[in-house]
Amino acid sequence: EAQVTQNPRYLITVTGKKLTVTCSQNMNHEYMSWYRQDPGLGLRQIYYSMNVEVTDKGDVPEGYKVSRKEKRNFPLILESPSPNQTSLYFCASSPWDRMNTEAFFGQGTRLTVV
Amino acid sequence: KQEVTQIPAALSVPEGENLVLNCSFTDSAIYNLQWFRQDPGKGLTSLLLIQSSQREQTSGRLNASLDKSSGRSTLYIAASQPGDSATYLCALRGSTLGRLYFGRGTQLTVWP
Repeated sequence: EAQVTQNPRYLITVTGKKLTVTCSQNMNHEYMSWYRQDPGLGLRQIYYSMNVEVTDKGDVPEGYKVSRKEKRNFPLILESPSPNQTSLYFCASSPWDRMNTEAFFGQGTRLTVV
Repeated sequence: KQEVTQIPAALSVPEGENLVLNCSFTDSAIYNLQWFRQDPGKGLTSLLLIQSSQREQTSGRLNASLDKSSGRSTLYIAASQPGDSATYLCALRGSTLGRLYFGRGTQLTVWP
């Protein structure tokens, strides 16, 4: 089944403790990206990657890191999480064919930083 | 920067009604527009994708239109059902192809 898989689905952590949220897709998509969703603010893009070893900032990159060493994986790293990073996070992927860039989303990771 | 607005923010209707959800955007230089459905606590499910060269797309009871010149897209839902209750989001891929801009969504409730 074609899908985008995020892990973990739920995470509670303490301020300053480094964490990684993994994202993997099995559709051989070139493009991957991360979003956070907050009440009243909607979905905002954190980082995106057009291909392996190519990443770029979205609207809210502060406090986050990403890497794209393999085509299928795009982990989101929080080096020193803070309470304002409590949010619902989504990973997405899409092909990079000029005629089709339909985005597919993972099920989300609900992160709480205390 | 692209701004995406969805009106109304919430909508409650009886079963069977035909609905129109609206999405407006400030920069007409878009590559495509995608409509999603989000159920509470769940991920986003793609409903329809319209390329910038297209005027509309249809899937079952759903029809999405795109008017770039006026900066608007509409999602038409025919004969609504309680199972259509969810939040509907529109997202635009702009001329900077890596960027995807979302509206804040319309929360739809269809009651029996």
